[in-house]
Amino acid sequence: GESVGLHLPTLSVQEGDNSIINCAYSNSASDYFIWYKQESGKGPQFIIDIRSNMDKRQGQRVTVLLNKTVKHLSLQIAATQPGDSAVYFCAERAGGGNKLTFGTGTQLKVEL
Amino acid sequence: SAVISQKPSRDICQRGTSLTIQCQVDSQVTMMFWYRQQPGQSLTLIATANQGSEATYESGFVIDKFPISRPNLTFSTLTVSNMSPEDSSIYLCSAGAGRYEQYFGPGTRLTVT
Repeated sequence: GESVGLHLPTLSVQEGDNSIINCAYSNSASDYFIWYKQESGKGPQFIIDIRSNMDKRQGQRVTVLLNKTVKHLSLQIAATQPGDSAVYFCAERAGGGNKLTFGTGTQLKVEL
Repeated sequence: SAVISQKPSRDICQRGTSLTIQCQVDSQVTMMFWYRQQPGQSLTLIATANQGSEATYESGFVIDKFPISRPNLTFSTLTVSNMSPEDSSIYLCSAGAGRYEQYFGPGTRLTVT
């Protein structure tokens, strides 16, 4: 299948370790954020979201942290599995409406 | 969440021709969007497909090149017109099922020769 991660920053982790994927955003007016996972040859898959009135949100094996002071978002994946290998994108909503602006993406590689 | 399908999944087209991509959602949604993703890059919003009115295009994208239809709350099409090799990309449809979240289709992989 076609890879969309050829030119993206790469994070390599060992299976079972925790992964932390970071995202910096520039618009202080952004009030909603989403993390997506994109596997090779597929469309982005919604993982977890967070509103700007929160600083942490947890899902199943994933946690998103939001630091509005430094405009930073992170996705933590616990006990990383081979199936977590993918490109991860953060997206932000800013300025009203429902438009999302996507970050550059990070390729996560899980090593056995 | 919404389940979104796209047709075709991939195509190889000759320059100067046009391709229409279809996007079908399994439930009525307020918002539908079209994105482009060039190889190894992030997603760029082309336009918001508005039901019953003209699409809203982002800077750098024009209706003559990317005409969009949205006849109802579950379906939209994007046409890539007068294609050139620079239009080779993945085209993705998304739908807003809740307040802000968007769910994506599998994408259409277009190669222009």
